[in-house]
Amino acid sequence: EVQLLESGGTLVQPGGSLKLHCVGSGFHFAGFAMTWVRQAPGKGLEWVATISGTGASTYYTDSGQGRFTISRDNSKNTVYLQMNSLRPEDAAVYYCARHEIIVVPSRLDYWGQGTSVIVSS
Amino acid sequence: DIVLTQSPDSLAVSLGERASITCKSSQSLLYTSNNKNYLAWIQHKAGQPPKPLIFWASSRESGVPDRFSGSVSGTDFTLTISSLQAEDVAVYYCQQYYGNPPYTFGQGTRLEIK
Repeated sequence: EVQLLESGGTLVQPGGSLKLHCVGSGFHFAGFAMTWVRQAPGKGLEWVATISGTGASTYYTDSGQGRFTISRDNSKNTVYLQMNSLRPEDAAVYYCARHEIIVVPSRLDYWGQGTSVIVSS
Repeated sequence: DIVLTQSPDSLAVSLGERASITCKSSQSLLYTSNNKNYLAWIQHKAGQPPKPLIFWASSRESGVPDRFSGSVSGTDFTLTISSLQAEDVAVYYCQQYYGNPPYTFGQGTRLEIK
């Protein structure tokens, strides 16, 4: 059974940093691209970042470019989202999701339960 | 970036009746090499992770009831629930996965029981 488990969400002050983790199980982790999607309170889903299965290709939303870094350690079946210079508008539930194959373009076929990030002083 | 516009923003339908949600794309999502439209429909219930329903605009994910169907006409996509059940109350999103990211979402449509 494919499972994705996010962690690392917490309360952080504006300007602070946070690193989210997503551990995958039940599948060959390196064989799939991974994505982070977020949902701010009362808002819709927003794509944040994507990384290919090898880690060679990464993509970011405009608002995250230069502040967010997506990475992965396939030996640990884990994808990360390092978030720096956090802003109040970054507050959201962050979901990690698996793509159907190792590269893009490809759809998201499994989602984690999400981890909550609060940005407030 | 590709913009997806859903309509309506909210919808109330009686149990057993048909519900339809439209998603208009700002550009074609069709790859002529494989004749596939790179659009998905996703169901999001409160307190749960999003659940993929439809991919390639009209293919159902494994385990999704056949009352859910997707169709396309050019750059207009439709999700139809043929006979609404109580468990279908959710917010529904379309998402495009054409080319390289960003893989944008529509703004969402809230579906309720009338």
